[in-house]
Amino acid sequence: TQLLEQSPQFLSIQEGENLTVYCNSSSVFSSLQWYRQEPGEGPVLLVTVVTGGEVKKLKRLTFQFGDARKDSSLHITAAQPGDTGLYLCAGDRDDKIIFGKGTRLHILP
Amino acid sequence: KAGVTQTPRYLIKTRGQQVTLSCSPISGHRSVSWYQQTPGQGLQFLFEYFSETQRNKGNFPGRFSGRQFSNSRSEMNVSTLELGDSALYLCASSLTGEIEAFFGQGTRLTVV
Repeated sequence: TQLLEQSPQFLSIQEGENLTVYCNSSSVFSSLQWYRQEPGEGPVLLVTVVTGGEVKKLKRLTFQFGDARKDSSLHITAAQPGDTGLYLCAGDRDDKIIFGKGTRLHILP
Repeated sequence: KAGVTQTPRYLIKTRGQQVTLSCSPISGHRSVSWYQQTPGQGLQFLFEYFSETQRNKGNFPGRFSGRQFSNSRSEMNVSTLELGDSALYLCASSLTGEIEAFFGQGTRLTVV
């Protein structure tokens, strides 16, 4: 059983559209991280959310941590081809960082 | 400041062989973690080293092992390679094991 479930698995949309991807768990996390991974590269940390209900913005990306700290979402406004990549959420469980399987996002020009 | 460096970037090995991968963390970082990434399973935690000691271990067979040197550089070894070991192996470093980690580019291992 995957501790962190990400949805959708794949998403292909046109440039300029908005999108939201999700990271859900039945467990409470003290924090969650979002990473983006491009082909041939390692994941790069985008943000950490810590407080239930917290919203963080990074330019066109908006990250939200659920009130119960069991889920998180990433919203991208006016998607651009440069946003293409694998988006991973991660959390700390038993002193290990565990990852969801990711959402593979493809923005069509 | 140099990032996390992994060598080699690509590797092709035959079943039954063994392989050693290397990771140099960001200067000053003492924690190094290793992950295996496959399309089917995603990123899975292998183990973490801190100050030359294995501090945590994932659910992988004993064929997967690692070590860390006094300069924080780390190596992981996989013995008796199987086809299913083909994957991207990623190393991540952090100051003392923080949840926010910095990843290297990975080593793409192909077992034939």
